[in-house]
Amino acid sequence: KAGVTQTPRYLIKTRGQQVTLSCSPISGHRSVSWYQQTPGQGLQFLFEYFSETQRNKGNFPGRFSGRQFSNSRSEMNVSTLELGDSALYLCASSLMQGARYEQYFGPGTRLTVT
Amino acid sequence: GQNIDQPTEMTATEGAIVQINCTYQTSGFNGLFWYQQHAGEAPTFLSYNVLDGLEEKGRFSSFLSRSKGYSYLLLKELQMKDSASYLCAVGNDYKLSFGAGTTVTVRA
Repeated sequence: KAGVTQTPRYLIKTRGQQVTLSCSPISGHRSVSWYQQTPGQGLQFLFEYFSETQRNKGNFPGRFSGRQFSNSRSEMNVSTLELGDSALYLCASSLMQGARYEQYFGPGTRLTVT
Repeated sequence: GQNIDQPTEMTATEGAIVQINCTYQTSGFNGLFWYQQHAGEAPTFLSYNVLDGLEEKGRFSSFLSRSKGYSYLLLKELQMKDSASYLCAVGNDYKLSFGAGTTVTVRA
């Protein structure tokens, strides 16, 4: 079974631009979460989607948005990029069955804002 | 709010056992996760505990006490490849809150 895939893997943007990142979950997983990882703040939750609905959202400004499509693929968008948005953006797909819960991360997109 | 604490660094010898503790104070709790993350790579899922007690998976075991807000990850028969950061995370309402991670260094 293929793992979580994210595109692109690396991205360089300038301040003020916007960016869209894509995530394809593991086949059969309907939940997709997004995280930002930086050396200073660690791993921080952005949002989670299930069946095209956002079920939870972290404490990030409105410049960060996301969506999920009917095939469970998800995108996140960051508008008006700031230098502080430079980070590794990780997508995770989850499966919950009774007491069993597994969450697997994709390889991430490394975003550099200059 | 969420407060998740784990030690910053631990060092152990190849073949030894290391226990990484995690304490948490959170506004909600559905379960506790452990992840392993090698430098430059994405986190890898290790375990999920929702009930109190010990869950064993090969060389790795994870323990949870919900009443004490406490978990630990036990790594047995340490190998050099186990040198990595280990992240404790609390799950609540489809959201994971992570600790800062414990860097484990395995020495020959």
